[in-house]
Amino acid sequence: EVQLVESGGGLVKPGASLKLSCVASGFTFSDYWMSWVRQTPGKTMEWIGDIKYDGSYTNYAPSLKNRFTISRDNAKSTLYLQMSNVRSEDTATYYCTRGDGYSDVMDAWGQGASVTVSS
Amino acid sequence: DVQMTQSPSNLAASPGESVSINCKASKSISKYLAWYQQKPGKANKLLIYSGSTLQSGTPSRFSGSGSGTDFTLTIRNLEPEDFGLYYCQQHNEYPWTFGGGTKLELK
Repeated sequence: EVQLVESGGGLVKPGASLKLSCVASGFTFSDYWMSWVRQTPGKTMEWIGDIKYDGSYTNYAPSLKNRFTISRDNAKSTLYLQMSNVRSEDTATYYCTRGDGYSDVMDAWGQGASVTVSS
Repeated sequence: DVQMTQSPSNLAASPGESVSINCKASKSISKYLAWYQQKPGKANKLLIYSGSTLQSGTPSRFSGSGSGTDFTLTIRNLEPEDFGLYYCQQHNEYPWTFGGGTKLELK
């Protein structure tokens, strides 16, 4: 069974940094592109970016690329999202997703990690 | 970025009925439109991609249609487990973008 489990969320102050992790199981992690997607409290869904299966290439939403960095450790089957200089508008649930490997859609999602940015 | 406009934002229906959810892109995305279902306590589920291709495991009562800028998700003979939030997402060009969501509620 494909499983994606996010961790590292919580309450963080504006301007701080935070790193989310996503441990994958049930599939060969190193064969798949992976993405991060977030959902605001108002339920707006926003794609953050993705990373190639070998970690050699990333794409980002233009509005986030200066503050967010996606990386992966295939030996640990783990995806990361480094968030820096966080703002109140970064308050959201952050989802780790798997690319389907064919059509650029997200065929598996984690349960999400909640991040609240507040002083 | 391609803007995705989803309608309606809320929809109430009864089991056994059929419903349609619409998604409009700000420019042509060819056939590359996906639909996802979100339910409390469950991982989001990919239902349809490339406009009309059912993801493995998606019940046949779900169907997708459209191309270019206008797309529709139709659910026939609603089952109790179909109530939840639905999102469209274009997968034609980066950055991938989502519609605002449609909440399908029990009437």
